[in-house]
Amino acid sequence: QSALTQPPSASGSPGQSVTISCTATGSDVGGYNFVSWYQHHPGKAPKLLIYEFRKRPSGVPARFSGSKSDNAASLTVSGLQAEDEADYYCSSYVDDIHVVFGGGTKLTVL
Amino acid sequence: QLQLQESGPGLVKPSETLSLTCTVSGGSISSTAYYWGWIRQPPGKALEWIGTIFYSRSTYYNPSLKSRVTISVDTSKNQFSLKLNSVTVADTAVYYCARHLSTVRSPFDDWGLGTLVTVSS
Repeated sequence: QSALTQPPSASGSPGQSVTISCTATGSDVGGYNFVSWYQHHPGKAPKLLIYEFRKRPSGVPARFSGSKSDNAASLTVSGLQAEDEADYYCSSYVDDIHVVFGGGTKLTVL
Repeated sequence: QLQLQESGPGLVKPSETLSLTCTVSGGSISSTAYYWGWIRQPPGKALEWIGTIFYSRSTYYNPSLKSRVTISVDTSKNQFSLKLNSVTVADTAVYYCARHLSTVRSPFDDWGLGTLVTVSS
């Protein structure tokens, strides 16, 4: 079964940078061609931050950036702010399975 | 400004059918430019994709839910709907409707606020 694995938690102090990884398991990463990242504050609608590994929708601050390496995708939040404390999910389209979400990472701003 | 609003019963009995509707405003469900989907989040757990529909022409379902799910479109009301049958307590979740950026391969760029559905007798 293909899946996307994320660390359950991450943290950083205001102004610092934090990177969250998203690793493909059970399948060739080549099958994960459309990785995206969402920010989710509890009780609110998830917000698209990054798509196709590194593209930002209009209105998303440049301090949110995405990258890809080997079997993993990463989201980096630079210049951490208190409002960045939220859950972050990676997601991808995978042939035959269609849409897959990672297990989510809770980001704490210390 | 596109807006999506989920509606439906907040309480469903085990073995019955969960039915939700997503009303779209500020955009047309009939547009051939977009696909529309349902996602859920059980309490304390991760997001889970349920399925996606394209203008009544194509549907895509999560393999783990496929035998119980039906997604349909009502163009006259600019709505799309979710039916999940034979529900159990494991189906208790916040259910979101959302629009793909373009095709089913693309991410969801607009989401509803979600609606909590509890499965309990």
